[in-house]
Amino acid sequence: DAGVIQSPRHEVTEMGQEVTLRCKPISGHNSLFWYRQTMMRGLELLIYFNNNVPIDDSGMPEDRFSAKMPNASFSTLKIQPSEPRDSAVYFCASSKGSGGAIGQYFGPGTRLTVL
Amino acid sequence: AQSVTQLGSHVSVSEGALVLLRCNYSSSVPPYLFWYVQYPNQGLQLLLKYTSAATLVKGINGFEAEFKKSETSFHLTKPSAHMSDAAEYFCAVSLYNQGGKLIFGQGTELSVKP
Repeated sequence: DAGVIQSPRHEVTEMGQEVTLRCKPISGHNSLFWYRQTMMRGLELLIYFNNNVPIDDSGMPEDRFSAKMPNASFSTLKIQPSEPRDSAVYFCASSKGSGGAIGQYFGPGTRLTVL
Repeated sequence: AQSVTQLGSHVSVSEGALVLLRCNYSSSVPPYLFWYVQYPNQGLQLLLKYTSAATLVKGINGFEAEFKKSETSFHLTKPSAHMSDAAEYFCAVSLYNQGGKLIFGQGTELSVKP
């Protein structure tokens, strides 16, 4: 079975540019999570969706960040405009059910570098 | 509110030695508990989980963890370390009916010396 798919795997952009990260969750999973990982702050939950609906976006750092989930098989995380401090590895994870017993399955991540 | 504390940001063991990574949680109700492993430049991989069945949980790669309610702990162990176990390990907790949301510990980097 295919795991969580993220694209691109690496992204290098210049400050001020728009960046879009993409995620395809595992088929049949109905919860999707976006994380950011840096050396300084560790692993941070940015936002999560349940049945395509955003449930908790309290981790989104500021208005420059937005996330969408138009259907059960696709989600995007957009940064506009990007800044050097946004450089990090961004992970997408998916899970099944709402009970929390399954655990989350992570994608390989997108390494973002903003120059 | 629930939280997770991992004691020791870095643990170093010799190959063949016991691995013990500590995790304590704080929760007002019985939680679900997880250990994840992250190898360099990769995503997090589920190692094992406790979901209120057996308190001793066996995972992949010879790891196991024991849920101790009285100590609010979920320590990860492996009898004999292998060089390939070098990675970062994260403990996490979730509660029923929170949509699978996980609260992660800060992570413990495991080094294995030859």
